[in-house]
Amino acid sequence: KAGVTQTPRYLIKTRGQQVTLSCSPISGHRSVSWYQQTPGQGLQFLFEYFSETQRNKGNFPGRFSGRQFSNSRSEMNVSTLELGDSALYLCASSLTSQNTEAFFGQGTRLTVV
Amino acid sequence: QKEVEQDPGPLSVPEGAIVSLNCTYSNSAFQYFMWYRQYSRKGPELLMYTYSSGNKEDGRFTAQVDKSSKYISLFIRDSQPSDSATYLCAMSGPTGTASKLTFGTGTRLQVTL
Repeated sequence: KAGVTQTPRYLIKTRGQQVTLSCSPISGHRSVSWYQQTPGQGLQFLFEYFSETQRNKGNFPGRFSGRQFSNSRSEMNVSTLELGDSALYLCASSLTSQNTEAFFGQGTRLTVV
Repeated sequence: QKEVEQDPGPLSVPEGAIVSLNCTYSNSAFQYFMWYRQYSRKGPELLMYTYSSGNKEDGRFTAQVDKSSKYISLFIRDSQPSDSATYLCAMSGPTGTASKLTFGTGTRLQVTL
């Protein structure tokens, strides 16, 4: 059974640019959550999507946005990149929005220069 | 003060030792408790999942939750060099917020030969 797939694995962008990250959840899972991991702040919740609707949102600025498609795949977008956005972005897959057994992908390492 | 506190370590133990990892939390609404293992440059891997207070055992791993003290623990018996990783505790609240995990900063464990 395939796990959570995140693409790309590594990304280098310039300040001011925008970036889109992709996540394909485990087959049959309908909830996708996004997290940012940095050495200073650890893992922080960005948002969660279930049935193409955002169900929960963390304390991040509006530059961070996401969406979910009918096949449960999700994308996360960051606009007007800042140096502080450099982080490992992790996607977690759950059966439903109320299921807390979350399985993570390998992450996308974003470096903003 | 962070909602979830976890000693960052590093914690160094000899092979075969019993390892105790702990987290404290302040939010009494947390009901679901998880432990993840994260190897360098990889996504977190779900190890243990418990609901409310009590113990849960899975092979060499035992998770304990004491909601009255707001304290959770992970014990690893007969530790192996392959257990060397960062261990993250995570927790979430009741219906409606179950998918929003709050993480500790992680404890780095080194098991030496």
